[in-house]
Amino acid sequence: QKEVEQNSGPLSVPEGAIASLNCTYSDRGSQSFFWYRQYSGKSPELIMFIYSNGDKEDGRFTAQLNKASQYVSLLIRDSQPSDSATYLCALSNSGYALNFGKGTSLLVTP
Amino acid sequence: KAGVTQTPRYLIKTRGQQVTLSCSPISGHRSVSWYQQTPGQGLQFLFEYFSETQRNKGNFPGRFSGRQFSNSRSEMNVSTLELGDSALYLCASSLSRGFSTGELFFGEGSRLTVL
Repeated sequence: QKEVEQNSGPLSVPEGAIASLNCTYSDRGSQSFFWYRQYSGKSPELIMFIYSNGDKEDGRFTAQLNKASQYVSLLIRDSQPSDSATYLCALSNSGYALNFGKGTSLLVTP
Repeated sequence: KAGVTQTPRYLIKTRGQQVTLSCSPISGHRSVSWYQQTPGQGLQFLFEYFSETQRNKGNFPGRFSGRQFSNSRSEMNVSTLELGDSALYLCASSLSRGFSTGELFFGEGSRLTVL
């Protein structure tokens, strides 16, 4: 069983709606959590990172971490067609290597 | 400021051959990591280099190796290529070790096809 689980999708949301992306993990020693966005044919780019339980907001993006329940989520408010991409959840317990989920494909329809 | 540069971007090899991929990190970045991305397994950690030393290694066979030079540029080598080595190989750099800032910058990748 992979350590980081994500629904592969595709998750389809209408433009302007809230997209909710979820990720669960098995390693309780995980300390750092990241969300990357990867457009088709491109490399991953960091959207947000979160280290502490609770919510962290950055513009239209909110990351939520619940270590007790071992899940991390990403909310995208006012979704735009340009948000259509694969979203990768990643975490680390070592500080030096990231464990990635396989990603959730998000499609925002006009 | 230039990003992470990987060469070559695309290459085709046959089984049994070897390949060397190159990565130039962002200027000033001293840590370089390599990841393999495949549709089936997603992104998997290969190894990390810092100050010319391999600091961490993922769960890959010894056919996968790498090195880092004094200018922080890194190369990875795959010997005796197998069909399953076909993948996108991504290099990432960061200013220092650890994820205190969460900033890991990826290059565009080298797409390897093994025939």
